[in-house]
Amino acid sequence: DVKVTQSSRYLVKRTGEKVFLECVQDMDHENMFWYRQDPGLGLRLIYFSYDVKMKEKGDIPEGYSVSREKKERFSLILESASTNQTSMYLCASSTPGGLPDTEAFFGQGTRLTVV
Amino acid sequence: AQKVTQAQTEISVVEKEDVTLDCVYETRDTTYYLFWYKQPPSGELVFLIRRNSFDEQNEISGRYSWNFQKSTSSFNFTITASQVVDSAVYFCALSEAWYGGSQGNLIFGKGTKLSVKP
Repeated sequence: DVKVTQSSRYLVKRTGEKVFLECVQDMDHENMFWYRQDPGLGLRLIYFSYDVKMKEKGDIPEGYSVSREKKERFSLILESASTNQTSMYLCASSTPGGLPDTEAFFGQGTRLTVV
Repeated sequence: AQKVTQAQTEISVVEKEDVTLDCVYETRDTTYYLFWYKQPPSGELVFLIRRNSFDEQNEISGRYSWNFQKSTSSFNFTITASQVVDSAVYFCALSEAWYGGSQGNLIFGKGTKLSVKP
């Protein structure tokens, strides 16, 4: 079974704190993604990575950064958390696009509240 | 630009009713993939189906069926004889194929919340 594991289910952080959200996958997938989910807005891509040490901005990268030092781990970093970053964060991994078995597997989500 | 539109924000049905969730997509690519995911209250997205752009055959899996029509850029999802356990948010998504080996990013619709009442 493919597993994508996010380190926390719920987090509460203070404004201005540096926040790390961790994601680990065990299927040797090349691609990893961080999405943010907000009511009425669906899922929006923050960053993605298609290889170790490679990263690409998604649709809403402002206020975030990422790190991918190992293939199985993709970290999302909120440099200085703000209340408008209160949201559900979803990590996903997949094989590269174009292969017949392309699909994304998702973690259980981290609900972050910034107070 | 790629876009996925799920016009129905919320649908409420009574158990055993059939329900269709609409999905319309936009893409300039000739090769692409379409997906449906289910998100139950627990939060994790569950993969339901993937279709590639060259396969317009409709698919049936138990009570679920999907109708893919390239002529109207639609990929609709029907649940037959709905059950309370079908209550969830359902997302339609589009992925374009990049043969360079990168990407595979999913572009999601905003989701349709389905409530099935007993």
